[in-house]
Amino acid sequence: DAKTTQPNSMESNEEEPVHLPCNHSTISGTDYIHWYRQLPSQGPEYVIHGLTSNVNNRMASLAIAEDRKSSTLILHRATLRDAAVYYCIRRRKDSGYALNFGKGTSLLVTP
Amino acid sequence: GAVVSQHPSWVICKSGTSVKIECRSLDFQATTMFWYRQFPKQSLMLMATSNEGSKATYEQGVEKDKFLINHASLTLSTLTVTSAHPEDSSFYICSASSPRQGNIEAFFGQGTRLTVV
Repeated sequence: DAKTTQPNSMESNEEEPVHLPCNHSTISGTDYIHWYRQLPSQGPEYVIHGLTSNVNNRMASLAIAEDRKSSTLILHRATLRDAAVYYCIRRRKDSGYALNFGKGTSLLVTP
Repeated sequence: GAVVSQHPSWVICKSGTSVKIECRSLDFQATTMFWYRQFPKQSLMLMATSNEGSKATYEQGVEKDKFLINHASLTLSTLTVTSAHPEDSSFYICSASSPRQGNIEAFFGQGTRLTVV
């Protein structure tokens, strides 16, 4: 039970922003929100993570709802190389580093 | 970021034979590594936690005698699929975290695609 809910798929045009939603309504106070993405035939790669505050890095931004029951991964300008499956994962602070992957969102980027 | 490398990237073997997959942390030491399996069009499923110098911890439903894990050094974990059968054909992926980078993100290998014929 991944305990997060994401749309199965989304589509975006190249050069446009993409907002990937994730629901984690049962999140506890010590759970971090991590995002990973997996390109075809590759292992996943880390995108971003957060706890309460919005976060930015070179790859993306993470907007976390005030009640922490949902979050949104923002790709500011989608490129064809961003086409991947994006996984939103709850990770307990003291759980170690095994990740419980859900089904993720398959992002299609069209030129 | 830290680098995790798997070998081989792909392998084809005959039914009944054994296959060994290596997972190496190239620029950091990993006391713990993780093995996942991914079937086509499905998500990653955690198989086991590999602990350096001790026995691996297997997830429920994963046969420890079939999927042998050895973590003999701080930079190498191996997964051996014994007596492989076609239903073991899958994409096997390992991961580790780097203490040097705060153990925040998991670094994944590129995966090994196993095909059993």
